[in-house]
Amino acid sequence: NAGVMQNPRHLVRRRGQEARLRCSPMKGHSHVYWYRQLPEEGLKFMVYLQKENIIDESGMPKERFSAEFPKEGPSILRIQQVVRGDSAAYFCASRGQGDEKLFFGSGTQLSVL
Amino acid sequence: TQLLEQSPQFLSIQEGENLTVYCNSSSVFSSLQWYRQEPGEGPVLLVTVVTGGEVKKLKRLTFQFGDARKDSSLHITAAQPGDTGLYLCAGLPASGGSYIPTFGRGTSLIVHP
Repeated sequence: NAGVMQNPRHLVRRRGQEARLRCSPMKGHSHVYWYRQLPEEGLKFMVYLQKENIIDESGMPKERFSAEFPKEGPSILRIQQVVRGDSAAYFCASRGQGDEKLFFGSGTQLSVL
Repeated sequence: TQLLEQSPQFLSIQEGENLTVYCNSSSVFSSLQWYRQEPGEGPVLLVTVVTGGEVKKLKRLTFQFGDARKDSSLHITAAQPGDTGLYLCAGLPASGGSYIPTFGRGTSLIVHP
């Protein structure tokens, strides 16, 4: 039973390019979260999605960032026109309906040159 | 936004020592979770505490939830090098709303052999 799968593990982009981060939740999980982590810091909430719906995106920057969780396929966090300040580790977590436990993926380390 | 303050931020000890890390807030939480994160990996849930005053034990780890459900502590007895990692607490607000855990900045623990 695979856990939360994130890819790629490492992503290098030049300023102005687009970054697409993918997250496949655990089997049967319909709730997905995206968090961002900088070195020596905790996790900052970005967005919470259920299948085909954005439940809460209060942690997402208003511009350049978007997220989706389609009916079929992985959840995608998309960052357009990346800047150096977007460099960070991005973690996805999933949980099942009615379950309090969050299961995290191994993260995507985004580096913007 | 409920803020969770974790202390100490860094802790470096010798194998066999005992330690306590703290997670404090001015807000009330319906539940509080503790995670451990190793370098290059996502956080892994250790425990969830729900009731004020609750104490949970996980081998050499003892977790306590404050009576007022505003703070929590994690005590490790006879620390081992395998305990090295970033310990994160995450709280769910008691005021309801979406199920979105808010994380503290973490305590980075190094246990030297």
